[in-house]
Amino acid sequence: EPEVTQTPSHQVTQMGQEVILRCVPISNHLYFYWYRQILGQKVEFLVSFYNNEISEKSEIFDDQFSVERPDGSNFTLKIRSTKLEDSAMYFCASRIGSDTQYFGPGTRLTVL
Amino acid sequence: AQRVTQPEKLLSVFKGAPVELKCNYSYSGSPELFWYVQYSRQRLQLLLRHISRESIKGFTADLNKGETSFHLKKPFAQEEDSAMYYCALKVGGATNKLIFGTGTLLAVQP
Repeated sequence: EPEVTQTPSHQVTQMGQEVILRCVPISNHLYFYWYRQILGQKVEFLVSFYNNEISEKSEIFDDQFSVERPDGSNFTLKIRSTKLEDSAMYFCASRIGSDTQYFGPGTRLTVL
Repeated sequence: AQRVTQPEKLLSVFKGAPVELKCNYSYSGSPELFWYVQYSRQRLQLLLRHISRESIKGFTADLNKGETSFHLKKPFAQEEDSAMYYCALKVGGATNKLIFGTGTLLAVQP
């Protein structure tokens, strides 16, 4: 069964550095999402992406964040200048039509 | 306001005991609710959604619009049910984003 994949599984970075988190959604899916979960807190919506543009973003998704689908398979989340409070688990998800969202295994981002 | 509440952080039961994981929601539109499960070190997986009215791994959940609840139930817990369970509300519109509850850790003791 096809699955959403994410790389890397764990990323450690210094405050102020740029990071790019990568996701490969399920191949025939059309809608893509990023969520994050700070340790001990709930899973929170960051951004949704459809037809090569952002369809909605949360208040968390400020100018430091950007998303891109550079080719037909990858979906990336870039954080331009990381802060300590960006440390979290980042989940990518995808869906087709109005169907269920399927989640990747997550990338744990640690900002030192 | 759109909100999902799971009042219990931890629910500990013995194997064979009934399980009920509580979920309440707040949403002005027509709700569509899901239960996701996360086993240790694994991804979030869909367990069930209310529109399917199905039973997965012995779990069921009924949407009660009057009480704005979507509690997850299983009559006889198994040790392999131990996991983190998240209730989620799909918010309509173009994005269909999910609003999650804080999750309940179910621990089934032998």
